[in-house]
Amino acid sequence: RKEVEQDPGPFNVPEGATVAFNCTYSNSASQSFFWYRQDCRKEPKLLMSVYSSGNEDGRFTAQLNRASQYISLLIRDSKLSDSATYLCVVILNTGGFKTIFGAGTRLFVKA
Amino acid sequence: SQTIHQWPATLVQPVGSPLSLECTVEGTSNPNLYWYRQAAGRGLQLLFYSVGIGQISSEVPQNLSASRPQDRQFILSSKKLLLSDSGFYLCAWRRTSRYNEQFFGPGTRLTVL
Repeated sequence: RKEVEQDPGPFNVPEGATVAFNCTYSNSASQSFFWYRQDCRKEPKLLMSVYSSGNEDGRFTAQLNRASQYISLLIRDSKLSDSATYLCVVILNTGGFKTIFGAGTRLFVKA
Repeated sequence: SQTIHQWPATLVQPVGSPLSLECTVEGTSNPNLYWYRQAAGRGLQLLFYSVGIGQISSEVPQNLSASRPQDRQFILSSKKLLLSDSGFYLCAWRRTSRYNEQFFGPGTRLTVL
């Protein structure tokens, strides 16, 4: 079982739609959680950290469920510019920090 | 603010040639630095990380090596490139904070022919 698993997609949605991505992690020692966005042929960029209480940044909402070991990202009112690959990232603290990246979920937003 | 630079941005090299990719970080001291490779359509593979000058940890045995000659400089090298070394090479630094986020440089796209 992979340490971090994501549905690779692609998710094809129309502009204005709401889309949700889930990510599961296997290690209960996971300490910090993030969503990154990666555009085609570009570096990953931090989209948002995921806090235990959940957090919202504009159209984006991230939530963490420690009991079920998954995190989610909700995008409301999708824009064409939201088209990208979204990476789920988990940091383990097992004496040292280990960052584990999911393989990503591709999103295409169409007009 | 912190910035991370990588060069070159793109590189085309013949099989068997040497490689040197450079990464520098500004605006922070004693950062933890990382080299990743991303093959086309694939996820990130951690290659090396460094917690300080001269300290390198290798995650995957291969024909690549890394060095950290200065606090904010991280170099990825190879003596002889293989076709399988083609990919997108990303350098990252880790912010020492409650969440320990990583931030990436713009990457080097390497094609080995």
